[in-house]
Amino acid sequence: DTGVSQNPRHKITKRGQNVTFRCDPISEHNRLYWYRQTLGQGPEFLTYFQNEAQLEKSRLLSDRFSAERPKGSFSTLEIQRTEQGDSAMYLCASTAGTGYSPLHFGNGTRLTVT
Amino acid sequence: AQKVTQAQTEISVVEKEDVTLDCVYETRDTTYYLFWYKQPPSGELVFLIRRNSFDEQNEISGRYSWNFQKSTSSFNFTITASQVVDSAVYFCALSEITQGGSEKLVFGKGTKLTVNP
Repeated sequence: DTGVSQNPRHKITKRGQNVTFRCDPISEHNRLYWYRQTLGQGPEFLTYFQNEAQLEKSRLLSDRFSAERPKGSFSTLEIQRTEQGDSAMYLCASTAGTGYSPLHFGNGTRLTVT
Repeated sequence: AQKVTQAQTEISVVEKEDVTLDCVYETRDTTYYLFWYKQPPSGELVFLIRRNSFDEQNEISGRYSWNFQKSTSSFNFTITASQVVDSAVYFCALSEITQGGSEKLVFGKGTKLTVNP
């Protein structure tokens, strides 16, 4: 159990550029979540995968955001045409089973849009 | 919709003091789960406890204890004899079933705890 790994840890980009983040969940965890956390706030749900299927997307996830989880393993979150309001910490979490099994979070990717 | 309120934005204590972090929630569900997570400066949220709505027994784990009261919709967290290593942001969270039938957590805004030596 090596934990949830997220890359990169930090990303600085100019407004209008595209960025992609990667999340490697704990192996054999079939459920994967993306959350976004802004300064002074708690994490907000963005999207959820069960295996390779994206089962839920938050209204927070505009058309500029897309997430994938090919083969039910790692996941990527892409933001197109970034805006300053996208600046936040993007957290990935994984878990197995049901019944609200505790989420295992990664260290997050901090995005700064200048 | 579910809602979690952590009214204390920041708390500062001196080492060895006891400290209680408050959490009040709103839900229409009869079955739900409550959680506490710790977020140290490194950024990774660490799971502390999960409680389901049918289990109102208080729980103690070392210096940590939790008081769940359905009558007041509260799930408070107490650290006894605080230590500098307890300094972190603590989040209370509530389960929610989305419109699509998926499980997710709704987090409060967190309480930043600083324990001074």
